[in-house]
Amino acid sequence: EDQVTQSPEALRLQEGESSSLNCSYTVSGLRGLFWYRQDPGKGPEFLFTLYSAGEEKEKERLKATLTKKESFLHITAPKPEDSATYLCAVNSGGSNYKLTFGKGTLLTVNP
Amino acid sequence: DGGITQSPKYLFRKEGQNVTLSCEQNLNHDAMYWYRQDPGQGLRLIYYSQIVNDFQKGDIAEGYSVSREKKESFPLTVTSAQKNPTAFYLCASTRQGGSGELFFGEGSRLTVL
Repeated sequence: EDQVTQSPEALRLQEGESSSLNCSYTVSGLRGLFWYRQDPGKGPEFLFTLYSAGEEKEKERLKATLTKKESFLHITAPKPEDSATYLCAVNSGGSNYKLTFGKGTLLTVNP
Repeated sequence: DGGITQSPKYLFRKEGQNVTLSCEQNLNHDAMYWYRQDPGQGLRLIYYSQIVNDFQKGDIAEGYSVSREKKESFPLTVTSAQKNPTAFYLCASTRQGGSGELFFGEGSRLTVL
């Protein structure tokens, strides 16, 4: 059974204080690892897809990296508008694109 | 603009009543999904459909039903058999043959009184 564990559960940063969120996973065969951002009361918004160890993707202040067992979402010089819950999910294969989600990390960036 | 529309955004019902949540997409996506989100929990898959007139149970299908009569529409009915229906419900879609990233609607919050 696929498992996704995100840590920490919650993270408070000061504006400009860089940090990383962790997503560790156990799957039979990784077909894709996904990062989403979710604002309170809204649906998740797609950020990145990573497929193989060593792959990196960037978007503004966010950079996602992937190893064989975990993924990191690095946040450089965050701003208050980066405050959200960040969700990690894996697709272990098949054409049905069934994703297994972690519980998320609630990020709060204080001005 | 293309996207996924869920309605209603908020819904209050009494125990024992069936409720239907609407999900419509104009992205021309083949596959559609329903997830449930509870505080402190990850998203859990209720039902999914890869093609019109076909759908499969997810991990927590008991007490729910769906239909897929049109490519654009995938309504979810929360029946009276669902023991704890109060939750945030999310509909999503993806393109077959794509990389698998899901596009989500804004969600429907159901509260059973």
